[in-house]
Amino acid sequence: QSALTQPASVSGSPGQSITLSCTGTSSDVGNDNLVSWYQQHPGQVPKLLIYEVSKRSPGISSRFSGSKSGNTASLTISGLQAEDEADYYCCSYAVSRTWLFGGGTKLTVL
Amino acid sequence: QETLVQSGGGVVQPGASLRLSCVASGFSFNVYGIHWVRQAPGKGLEWVAFIRSDGNERYYADSVKGRLTISRDNYKDTVFLQMNSLRPDDTSVYYCAKDLKVRGPAGAFDIWGQGTMVVVSS
Repeated sequence: QSALTQPASVSGSPGQSITLSCTGTSSDVGNDNLVSWYQQHPGQVPKLLIYEVSKRSPGISSRFSGSKSGNTASLTISGLQAEDEADYYCCSYAVSRTWLFGGGTKLTVL
Repeated sequence: QETLVQSGGGVVQPGASLRLSCVASGFSFNVYGIHWVRQAPGKGLEWVAFIRSDGNERYYADSVKGRLTISRDNYKDTVFLQMNSLRPDDTSVYYCAKDLKVRGPAGAFDIWGQGTMVVVSS
């Protein structure tokens, strides 16, 4: 049960678009569409942004979008805002009947 | 409003046991699976365990298999995490989280408890 691979940090300027990647294997990310994304601000509980690769959770801004190609899932944030600065985690169901999180990406808004 | 309220946790010595509770309100508890997710200090999220809505299937991360047990009481809208043979590397904030889909799992955690800290130290 190895964690999914996410870049440790990403940065962008307000108004820009950035894409966060999440790489797994054919036994997890590449196996089905049960990939989700979470945002966590310091000291707060994680919040569901995206589920089933590309479906937005209710109340989540359309600036957040998800996609997948092969064993890599991606989260794109468009029109970057200061409030988007947070840690982002991907998660995937695996064939072993477990769920795997990525190590997380710290997004800095410059 | 859908909520999960956690209790339990604390500071224990290696080898000790602890039980965490997670009480649901605001939704039909008995049709949703529940997960436990943990986060070590300054680290990322780690999925720990899942129990189906009817309690008949349970899945565990390899790191906790045989030591942690998830259970539920659908009459009391409560999920438990019984933690035995605790180790220092179990030190984390533990979250319960509701699965998104009725009789899932969808593997998406849409409602989270407030988290409870477990510290395992001598």
